[in-house]
Amino acid sequence: QKEVEQDPGPLSVPEGAIVSLNCTYSNSAFQYFMWYRQYSRKGPELLMYTYSSGNKEDGRFTAQVDKSSKYISLFIRDSQPSDSATYLCALLDNAGNMLTFGGGTRLMVKP
Amino acid sequence: GAGVSQSPSNKVTEKGKDVELRCDPISGHTALYWYRQSLGQGLEFLIYFQGNSAPDKSGLPSDRFSAERTGGSVSTLTIQRTQQEDSAVYLCASSFFPNNEQFFGPGTRLTVL
Repeated sequence: QKEVEQDPGPLSVPEGAIVSLNCTYSNSAFQYFMWYRQYSRKGPELLMYTYSSGNKEDGRFTAQVDKSSKYISLFIRDSQPSDSATYLCALLDNAGNMLTFGGGTRLMVKP
Repeated sequence: GAGVSQSPSNKVTEKGKDVELRCDPISGHTALYWYRQSLGQGLEFLIYFQGNSAPDKSGLPSDRFSAERTGGSVSTLTIQRTQQEDSAVYLCASSFFPNNEQFFGPGTRLTVL
């Protein structure tokens, strides 16, 4: 079993839909949680960074962390075709030496 | 401000040759990371530099891989005697200090023929 599990998709939604992307993890040492967006043949772009259980909102994006269930989510409201990309969750422990990534979920938002 | 930059953007080499990949982190960031992204393995950590401390090399896949960071800024990842399985995108990231957000460069796409 991988340390971080993420459904690879693809996830196809119509424009304007609310998108829910999720990761589960097994190691309770993870304390910092990030979501990255990666367009084809580009580097990952940081979307959200959180370090506590609860919700964090930034524009159309909301990151949710439930440390008790070892479950993290990213919600995208009013999805746009430009949101079509691969979304990667990435987790960091207290040592802070390296990110452990999920495999990524490919999202397609259709006009 | 300028983000993380990497060069070259693409590199094609022959099996057995050595390659050098360069990373320029965001100015003022003390931590620098190298990752590798391949189809079968996803994104994997390779090596981490923090200030003047000894680097964490725990992710390097073999002794053909090495990296250095000069003057606490620019880093070079060297792969000796390249093999076809080294073909991947090599990504560099930097952060202000550990446990902070990591910002990635565009990557170097390495193809070993």
